[in-house]
Amino acid sequence: DAKTTQPTSMDCAEGRAANLPCNHSTISGNEYVYWYRQIHSQGPQYIIHGLKNNETNEMASLIITEDRKSSTLILPHATLRDTAVYYCIVRVASNTGKLIFGQGTTLQVKP
Amino acid sequence: DAGVTQSPTHLIKTRGQQVTLRCSPKSGHDTVSWYQQALGQGPQFIFQYYEEEERQRGNFPDRFSGHQFPNYSSELNVNALLLGDSALYLCASSLADRLYGYTFGSGTRLTVV
Repeated sequence: DAKTTQPTSMDCAEGRAANLPCNHSTISGNEYVYWYRQIHSQGPQYIIHGLKNNETNEMASLIITEDRKSSTLILPHATLRDTAVYYCIVRVASNTGKLIFGQGTTLQVKP
Repeated sequence: DAGVTQSPTHLIKTRGQQVTLRCSPKSGHDTVSWYQQALGQGPQFIFQYYEEEERQRGNFPDRFSGHQFPNYSSELNVNALLLGDSALYLCASSLADRLYGYTFGSGTRLTVV
C-alpha cells in the first residue's frame, strides 16, 4: 500500500501557483519524498525529490515540514499543460526497487 | 536524446492468447522496470531487471515473465491472457548507481477481448 495520502482532485487558475499537499506521517528517517506527474496518455514524469530540506528545480519547488510528516509540491505559475495526475511517493533514495503509486491528485488548471 | 521507447503502442488480444511487449531504455540506462496501470488507478509494479536478471518482483502471477537483453532492452511476456490484464503497460528505465528518478515510456495499451 502507498504510504502517502493526497487529495483526490484540485483546481488551479492558469498563471497562479498550484500547491499540492501530501501527508506521509509514517515516513522513516532514510526515506525521501518523490513527486511524479502523469499527463493523460503518457507515462509518469519525474518532477522532484527531497529528504528534509526544501528543494527547487526548473519544474517545481518541494516544501517538507520540519517533522517530515507532510510536504507540498508548488508549481509557481501553472499552465494548462500542467493539468495531470500528481503522485507523491515515499521511498528510500535509490534508482532500484519499486515505486508504490497511490491514487494521486488530479490537478485541473483552468483558463 | 531518445527517452524510453515502447512497442507496440496499442494491442488487441483475445483471452487465452500470449503477448510480448518491448522496451528500449533511455540511452545510458541499465535497469528496466515494468508497471501495469489499470484505468483510473496508479501504476502497479510488476518486476525489475538489472544485468539480465530479475531483481525484484511485485505481486503478479507467474503468467507475467520478462527478459532483459545484453543491450539493456527488455521484454514483458504475459501468457494465458485474462480480460483483467487489459491495462496500460509502462516501462521505466534508470541507472543503477544514480540517485535520480526513473524515466518512463508512454506505455503499451493492451486490450484483451
